This record gives sequence, structure tokens and C-alpha cells, in this order.
Amino acid sequence: AQRVTQPEKLLSVFKGAPVELKCNYSYSGSPELFWYVQYSRQRLQLLLRHISRESIKGFTADLNKGETSFHLKKPFAQEEDSAMYYCALTFQGAQKLVFGQGTRLTINP
Amino acid sequence: ETGVTQSPTHLIKTRGQQVTLRCSSQSGHNTVSWYQQALGQGPQFIFQYYREEENGRGNFPPRFSGLQFPNYSSELNVNALELDDSALYLCASSLPGPGAGGYTFGSGTRLTVV
Repeated sequence: AQRVTQPEKLLSVFKGAPVELKCNYSYSGSPELFWYVQYSRQRLQLLLRHISRESIKGFTADLNKGETSFHLKKPFAQEEDSAMYYCALTFQGAQKLVFGQGTRLTINP
Repeated sequence: ETGVTQSPTHLIKTRGQQVTLRCSSQSGHNTVSWYQQALGQGPQFIFQYYREEENGRGNFPPRFSGLQFPNYSSELNVNALELDDSALYLCASSLPGPGAGGYTFGSGTRLTVV
């Protein structure tokens, strides 16, 4: 079965410091990975997907098939990055996303 | 262009009752998926509807059922409610195609079963 693990439930960093939110997955085929974000009092929204290889709001994520990881990184955290972040996986032919438990990121001033 | 709207936003039901949750998909999206998010957990896939037919189902019992209408809106019905059904129920719309990425989520319905 497919699984997504986000080992940190809570992550707190200071403004201007680098941020890395960890995501590991288990799937034997070729997955498609996503990061979703939920800001306070807002709905869940797509942040980025690995196939587009974009940088959104300064965040990047690289799919490492050898380590089965898709960590989310930002070199300099901003206070507005405080939010709940979910890593999610799907695969060809699937109708679903498999989500991790989420990491609550807090950026301290 | 409108987003995904869900109703009601909150409701409280008694164990054993039945509940219907509603979702209007984003303009241009003809696929609707439902997710259950328990407190402190990530969303879990319940099922997906495409062209008014169930198009994939997660590990949920048959008392979780749904409908999709010709205008692509959808309903989630849960019968014989149990305390563990208390959760945030999310609706997401998307275009069809391989995989399930690129969802637009609604704000959710918070269901409390007492």
C-alpha cells in the first residue's frame, strides 16, 4: 500500500532561517508528489507538484527516488510561511491522493 | 470563476442518524472527490465521482455513499453515524485525467457525532 510519512508534527524556525519540511513515501512505481498548504482560516491549496519543477513562494522540492523522499525547502523563512503543510502522493491511474499527517510550521519573528 | 463550496459548514448529529453533505464544484471541473480529515490527521480518500458514477473508492464502509449530479455538484451521505465519523469532510473538484493531482478544495464541513 502507498504511504506518506511526515516525521515532524511541529516545526519552529526563526524568520530568515532555512526551512526543510521532510516527506518520505512508500510506493514501488513512479509516483507523482505534491505539497499542499493550509494557512490559518483558509482552505487547503496546492503549493507545488514535482512534475512542474516550479518554485512557489520561494519553496522548492526535489523528488529523490533513491531515498523515496520529497522534502520541501526554503532558504529564508518568512513569517507568512506559518501554516500547515501536507505532502501527498498519487500515481498513474489512481483516483486519489494519499496524504501525510501534516507538519505545522511556525516562523518566529 | 467560482471555487468549491460546501454546505453546511458545521453540524451536529446523534449516533445512528443519517447525514447528507453537499458540494458544488469549481466551474469547469467535472470530477469531485471526498476526503475525511480526522483531528490531527491528513485527509483520507473516501471516493471520487466522474460523469455521475463512482470512479474509485477508499477504505470506507458502504454506509458512506455519494451522488454526482449533471451540473457536477455532489453529495456525501453517511448512514448509521458512529462517534468515529466525527471529522472534517472535504470536497475537492478537478479535471479528469491521469492521477488525482491539482485539486481545488472546499472549506469543508465539520461533522460532530454525539
